[in-house]
Amino acid sequence: DSGVTQTPKHLITATGQRVTLRCSPRSGDLSVYWYQQSLDQGLQFLIQYYNGEERAKGNILERFSAQQFPDLHSELNLSSLELGDSALYFCASSVNGRYNSPLHFGNGTRLTVT
Amino acid sequence: TQLLEQSPQFLSIQEGENLTVYCNSSSVFSSLQWYRQEPGEGPVLLVTVVTGGEVKKLKRLTFQFGDARKDSSLHITAAQPGDTGLYLCAGAKNTGNQFYFGTGTSLTVIP
Repeated sequence: DSGVTQTPKHLITATGQRVTLRCSPRSGDLSVYWYQQSLDQGLQFLIQYYNGEERAKGNILERFSAQQFPDLHSELNLSSLELGDSALYFCASSVNGRYNSPLHFGNGTRLTVT
Repeated sequence: TQLLEQSPQFLSIQEGENLTVYCNSSSVFSSLQWYRQEPGEGPVLLVTVVTGGEVKKLKRLTFQFGDARKDSSLHITAAQPGDTGLYLCAGAKNTGNQFYFGTGTSLTVIP
């Protein structure tokens, strides 16, 4: 058990809809990362937060947004969903968000857009 | 375009065989990590290497960071069915906080 909790585990929704994925980091970790994993793209970095502030941005679409709250949990909002957004979405946390601080991953949310 | 390329992409071997997985890049990294991911779960950290030429051992797994810190290898001795999974390397630079994940190697060890 990594200590990182993601909900829900599975999500099935229709194109055009909006969903929110939630992540609670490991106790003591201040930084949260979001990744998208699909069969053809591998594990793609979306965005990173540290102690409530955005720290780094990757290949995140404009239709996607995220935030980290004062209690350090994070939410990833996906809107105007398309079929191609179907993927596994992982949250990871680390102690200080630095390059030498390992990532601890949750078990992901599997999103299916129909 | 992936910053880190792994080879082979797929590997299927018999129990007891040895294998090596490679992680290559043209970029220099300040740290490199190896993760194993099993179906339905998130990646789990195996090791972190930070010094060029560094070698770390974890039971039957040996990890090496290239001298120039651009590449790494994972060697498994006497593979077991429990080693089956997706192996991912991830590099990070001290100029940023992003971890760049490799393309992954899917290993199947047949009993």
